[in-house]
Order: sequence, then structure tokens, then C-alpha cells
Amino acid sequence: AQSVTQLGSHVSVSEGALVLLRCNYSSSVPPYLFWYVQYPNQGLQLLLKYTTGATLVKGINGFEAEFKKSETSFHLTKPSAHMSDAAEYFCAVSDQAGANNLFFGTGTRLTVIP
Amino acid sequence: ETGVTQSPTHLIKTRGQQVTLRCSSQSGHNTVSWYQQALGQGPQFIFQYYREEENGRGNFPPRFSGLQFPNYSSELNVNALELDDSALYLCASSVIRDSRYGYTFGSGTRLTVV
Repeated sequence: AQSVTQLGSHVSVSEGALVLLRCNYSSSVPPYLFWYVQYPNQGLQLLLKYTTGATLVKGINGFEAEFKKSETSFHLTKPSAHMSDAAEYFCAVSDQAGANNLFFGTGTRLTVIP
Repeated sequence: ETGVTQSPTHLIKTRGQQVTLRCSSQSGHNTVSWYQQALGQGPQFIFQYYREEENGRGNFPPRFSGLQFPNYSSELNVNALELDDSALYLCASSVIRDSRYGYTFGSGTRLTVV
């Protein structure tokens, strides 16, 4: 069975500071991993994904994440936070078989302080 | 290319009533998945439709049902509404039933059950 744990339901950073959002997963098979962002009253937008190959994945808006199998982690980072990064971020893992549905974490709300 | 569109955007229903939510998939996508996102939670998988057949189901009771039409659009039907059904319902479409290729989410339908 697949599951995701996001440490920290709320994270606050100053504008220009490093953003680090933590995600740990559990999967009985090699995982596909995803980060989605959700702005208020909107759906989910894919930031980046890891399927196979290079473990450091670059996404949109300057975000990147590194798949670490030994730590079962897929933390999201951005070197310098921007006000427009304030949103809810969800980490998800896929079951890779059958419906290939996504299992989401409970989300991390990022606040950027000017 | 148009994205995933959902209708209506907001809906208020009374406990015990039935509701139908609609989703038009992104052009070229033949797979549609539905997710329920309760307030403060991550999305949870309801079911997926591929080529008009249900192709996987999450832990939701039978009163949650769906359809997919030949043009790949989809409906989510919920019977005997309960207060706990109040949530944002998200539709996601994909090229094929393989999460590696990514899912495109709509902006959702916010259902309130009173």
C-alpha cells in the first residue's frame, strides 16, 4: 500500500529565503512521486514528478525535488521564496498499477512573509 | 488546447438528495479520475474511468457512482447525500491510465450538504 506523510502542515518563510517542504512516502513497489500546488479556490497544478532516471527533478517556478530511496523522501525545495509561492502544496505517490491513482499527503500551507 | 472543465463550480444540496457533477476532459485525454478533497485534507481517490469502464475504485460506498461518455467526458453521481459529503470534488484527466504521464486537474466543484 502507498501512503505519504508531509511533515509540517504550515510553513512560513521570509521572501527570498529557502523553501523546504518535507515529504516521506511508503510504497511496496518503486514509486512514482509528485508535487502539486493548489492556490485558493483552484484545482491542483503539477509542479514536478519523479518516475525513473535522475533523482534530482526540476519543475516549474524554480522548484526542485530529490528522490532519496534510502530515506524514502521526496522533499521539495526552492532557493528563494517569492510572494507568489504562497499556496498549499501536496506530495503524492502513485501505485503504478491498475488505476495508477494518486495517494496524497495532507498538504503543507506555505506562507511567505514580506 | 482546453484543459479540464468542471460544472457547476459550487452547489448546495440537502441531506438525502442526489447530485450529479460533470467533467470535460482535456482534449486528447481518454482517462478520467475523480477525487474528493475534504476541508483541510489532501484529495482522496474515488474512482477512475477508462474507455467508458470503471478502472479502479477507492474506499467509497456504492452511492458514489460514475459514468464516462464516448467523448471521454464524465459524471460523478452521489446518492443519499450525507453531511460528510461536503467537499471539493476534483476531476483529473490523462492521456492513458498511467500516472507517469501526469494528470491534469480541473478547478473542482465545491459541494455543500446542509
